[in-house]
Amino acid sequence: EAGVTQFPSHSVIEKGQTVTLRCDPISGHDNLYWYRRVMGKEIKFLLHFVKESKQDESGMPNNRFLAERTGGTYSTLKVQPAELEDSGVYFCASSQETLWGREKLFFGSGTQLSVL
Amino acid sequence: QKEVEQNSGPLSVPEGAIASLNCTYSDRVSQSFFWYRQYSGKSPELIMSIYSNGDKEDGRFTAQLNKASQYVSLLIRDSQPSDSATYLCAVNSQVTGGSYIPTFGRGTSLIVHP
Repeated sequence: EAGVTQFPSHSVIEKGQTVTLRCDPISGHDNLYWYRRVMGKEIKFLLHFVKESKQDESGMPNNRFLAERTGGTYSTLKVQPAELEDSGVYFCASSQETLWGREKLFFGSGTQLSVL
Repeated sequence: QKEVEQNSGPLSVPEGAIASLNCTYSDRVSQSFFWYRQYSGKSPELIMSIYSNGDKEDGRFTAQLNKASQYVSLLIRDSQPSDSATYLCAVNSQVTGGSYIPTFGRGTSLIVHP
């Protein structure tokens, strides 16, 4: 069974440019999450999809970030325009729907974003 | 703002010893708790889940949960150098709309030295 895949694995861009990250969840997983880890800090929640619907996007830093999940399959996270503070590792995770919040996350390998 | 607190470490233990990792959380109504292990440069992977008060054992790993104290711990018996990694505590909290969002702690770095 294929795991969660993310690409690119690394992206180096200049401030003001646009970057799009992609995540392919495990087949059959309705839940898809985006997280970001800035060096030395905790993994912070960005947003949560259930199928194609944004269930919770309370963690999105500002309107420079746009996430989509067309057709409830893969998801993209676009940063436009990128700022220095957007640098970090962006993780995607997916899970099956469960009862009582017992979702166990399966993580992708992450995208290391460096904004210069 | 729901929080999950962990001592960032590093926690250094000799090979063969018991490593004890601790986590506290702020959301009193949380019901699901997880430990993930993250090797340097890799993605987190789930190693333990616990939902009820008490202990849950899986091989060399034991998760302990005390909901009254809002405290979760992970014990690793017979620690091996291959256990050296960052251990992330995660707590699933229900949000508006009924879904559950896992909140992560900063992680504790464990070093097992030969």
